[in-house]
Amino acid sequence: KAGVTQTPRYLIKTRGQQVTLSCSPISGHRSVSWYQQTPGQGLQFLFEYFSETQRNKGNFPGRFSGRQFSNSRSEMNVSTLELGDSALYLCASSPVAGVSQPQHFGDGTRLSIL
Amino acid sequence: QKEVEQNSGPLSVPEGAIASLNCTYSDRGSQSFFWYRQYSGKSPELIMFIYSNGDKEDGRFTAQLNKASQYVSLLIRDSQPSDSATYLCAVPGYDMRFGAGTRLTVKP
Repeated sequence: KAGVTQTPRYLIKTRGQQVTLSCSPISGHRSVSWYQQTPGQGLQFLFEYFSETQRNKGNFPGRFSGRQFSNSRSEMNVSTLELGDSALYLCASSPVAGVSQPQHFGDGTRLSIL
Repeated sequence: QKEVEQNSGPLSVPEGAIASLNCTYSDRGSQSFFWYRQYSGKSPELIMFIYSNGDKEDGRFTAQLNKASQYVSLLIRDSQPSDSATYLCAVPGYDMRFGAGTRLTVKP
């Protein structure tokens, strides 16, 4: 069974640009959560999607948004990029809704802002 | 006070020893607890999860919960150099809260 697939693996952007990251969950998994990981703040929850609906959202500005499609694939968008957005962005999936379920992570997208 | 706290380490143990990793949490109502292993440059990998109804053993790994003191521990028996990684504790609430992780080094 294929794992969680995130694309692209690496991205370099400049301040002010926007970026879209993609995540395909494990087959049969309908919940997708997004996280940001930085050396200073660690792993921080961004949001969770289930059945194309955002269920929870972490404490991030509105520049961070996401969506989920009917096939459970999810995208995350960050607009007006700032230097502090440089991070590893991780997607995790689980079969059912709720962050209290065991989640399986993808390899992440490493975003660098110049 | 952070909601999930871990000693950042590094924790160094000799090969074959027991490694003990601890995590404290602030939400007394927490019902489930997760341990992830993250190798350098890789994504977190789920290695163990327990619910508030008891401890759990899986091979060389044992997760124990002390609800009264609000901490959860991960014991790794017969530690191997391949266990060298950062171990992240996660406790779900409104969202999933991760500790900063404990870096474990197992020396041959």
